[in-house]
Amino acid sequence: SQKIEQNSEALNIQEGKTATLTCNYTNYSPAYLQWYRQDPGRGPVFLLLIRENEKEKRKERLKVTFDTTLKQSLFHITASQPADSATYLCALETGGFKTIFGAGTRLFVKA
Amino acid sequence: DVKVTQSSRYLVKRTGEKVFLECVQDMDHENMFWYRQDPGLGLRLIYFSYDVKMKEKGDIPEGYSVSREKKERFSLILESASTNQTSMYLCASSSSSGGRETQYFGPGTRLLVL
Repeated sequence: SQKIEQNSEALNIQEGKTATLTCNYTNYSPAYLQWYRQDPGRGPVFLLLIRENEKEKRKERLKVTFDTTLKQSLFHITASQPADSATYLCALETGGFKTIFGAGTRLFVKA
Repeated sequence: DVKVTQSSRYLVKRTGEKVFLECVQDMDHENMFWYRQDPGLGLRLIYFSYDVKMKEKGDIPEGYSVSREKKERFSLILESASTNQTSMYLCASSSSSGGRETQYFGPGTRLLVL
């Protein structure tokens, strides 16, 4: 079955540094992959989508890469701020209307 | 802005009770989803619906049922609540046309079954 893996350990970084989160998947070839942000007690919020024919996508301080050979996506937040502290979820489409989500990586940005 | 609302933020129920969780979206989306989220497991799809009165089982439908009588409303029903259904329940919606890949989530309902 399809499997998504994200670092289960929290990532702690200093304000101003670049945060890099990893998403690895197996047993599938998704047409696109998404990243969501989730704050405690809230539902996930969509951030970025990258398609299989795109290597990189940017939005303000966010950058996502997608390597279909390695079956991996990297999510970068440059010039990180304490307000970026949240859990970040990777999600990939599995055909039809279904999407599977990773368990997420918790990011803490210290001032 | 898309708005997805869920009927309760917190619920406490007893084992064996019938539980209704309601979700309403205001963007005329065709697709609606129910997930549960547990620590370390991510979001797991319970049921989804791509049209009124249509429903499809997700990955973990056992112990749940759904109802979609109107386009904007998707209800999740726990027929006889059990303690292993204690979880965070998230509803989401998406369009079937442009931008259909993106799901918009409600704030979640944290359910405790005693």
